[in-house]
Amino acid sequence: EAGVTQSPTHLIKTRGQQATLRCSPISGHTSVYWYQQALGLGLQFLLWYDEGEERNRGNFPPRFSGRQFPNYSSELNVNALELEDSALYLCASSLYLISGEQYFGPGTRLTVT
Amino acid sequence: AQTVTQSQPEMSVQEAETVTLSCTYDTSENNYYLFWYKQPPSRQMILVIRQEAYKQQNATENRFSVNFQKAAKSFSLKISDSQLGDTAMYFCAFFNTGTASKLTFGTGTRLQVTL
Repeated sequence: EAGVTQSPTHLIKTRGQQATLRCSPISGHTSVYWYQQALGLGLQFLLWYDEGEERNRGNFPPRFSGRQFPNYSSELNVNALELEDSALYLCASSLYLISGEQYFGPGTRLTVT
Repeated sequence: AQTVTQSQPEMSVQEAETVTLSCTYDTSENNYYLFWYKQPPSRQMILVIRQEAYKQQNATENRFSVNFQKAAKSFSLKISDSQLGDTAMYFCAFFNTGTASKLTFGTGTRLQVTL
């Protein structure tokens, strides 16, 4: 069974640009979560999508947004990039009815210069 | 709001020895799950073990076991017969079963297994 996949592996952008990160969940999983892992700050919850709807978001500004597609894959968009957005962005998926366990992808390393 | 605290930023253990990583949490919830995740240098987060709060029996997965003390809000991870491949960051995480449905992570413990 294929795990959670994320693309691209690395992304380099300049301040003010937009970044788009992609995630494909494990087959059969309907929930997708996004987390930011910035150096020294641990993992912070960003967004949760389930059945195509945004269900919850963390304490991040509106320039962090996303969506979930009918095939349950997801996209995270970060607008007006700032230097402090440089981080590892992790996507996780879960089968919501079996709550708790989230399976993570390898992450996208975003560097803003 | 839930908080998760890992008070040991770094730990070291010799191969084949046993090590215990500490985690405490704070919540007013009664139904929740606790997890330990491992993040090796490859950065892929791997689920190590899970504990349901309503179960008194401590979870065990091969060389990994937990000591879950609900009243004390403590959830430690014991790694027996440590192996070089256990070298990684270990994160304790809390999941509440309400509508928030997110993992709250501790700051992590960096474990180094040495020869």
